[in-house]
Amino acid sequence: SQKIEQNSEALNIQEGKTATLTCNYTNYSPAYLQWYRQDPGRGPVFLLLIRENEKEKRKERLKVTFDTTLKQSLFHITASQPADSATYLCAPSTGRRALTFGSGTRLQVQP
Amino acid sequence: DAGVIQSPRHEVTEMGQEVTLRCKPISGHDYLFWYRQTMMRGLELLIYFNNNVPIDDSGMPEDRFSAKMPNASFSTLKIQPSEPRDSAVYFCASSEGDKDVETQYFGPGTRLLVL
Repeated sequence: SQKIEQNSEALNIQEGKTATLTCNYTNYSPAYLQWYRQDPGRGPVFLLLIRENEKEKRKERLKVTFDTTLKQSLFHITASQPADSATYLCAPSTGRRALTFGSGTRLQVQP
Repeated sequence: DAGVIQSPRHEVTEMGQEVTLRCKPISGHDYLFWYRQTMMRGLELLIYFNNNVPIDDSGMPEDRFSAKMPNASFSTLKIQPSEPRDSAVYFCASSEGDKDVETQYFGPGTRLLVL
């Protein structure tokens, strides 16, 4: 069955450093992958989408890579700030409308 | 636009009672999704609609759950009878429907506690 793995342990980093979050998937070949941010008590908010034919996508301080050979996506936040503290969810998808989300990784940026 | 609107934001009920969650999608969006989030199972898709028609309800846990979308601006998720294991945060999301790949816009969620 399809499986999505994100590091369940919280990631703690110092302000100004680069945060790197990992999303691994098995048993399917997604055509694209989305990353969402979720703050406590709120719904997920879309951040970035990357397609299988794109190796890298950037948006301001955010960068996403998509390695279909390794079946992995990396999500980077450069020059991290305490305001970046949140849970980040990945959603690799095969093209159907419905999304399957990973369990998310909680990021804590210390000032 | 105000975004996806959900009501109520919090609901506390007793086991056996009927619970109705409500959602108003973003105007013009053709797809509506209902998700459930728990610590144990994460964010799970329950059902989704396209142009008010249910497309995939394979995520609905059992017959106690039902969802309707009587028109483009309103959907309900009903649990009858409710059980303590239904306690979770229920999210509604919508997307436009005119692209091959789309992002979803989530509402603030309804936090349900069944005692």
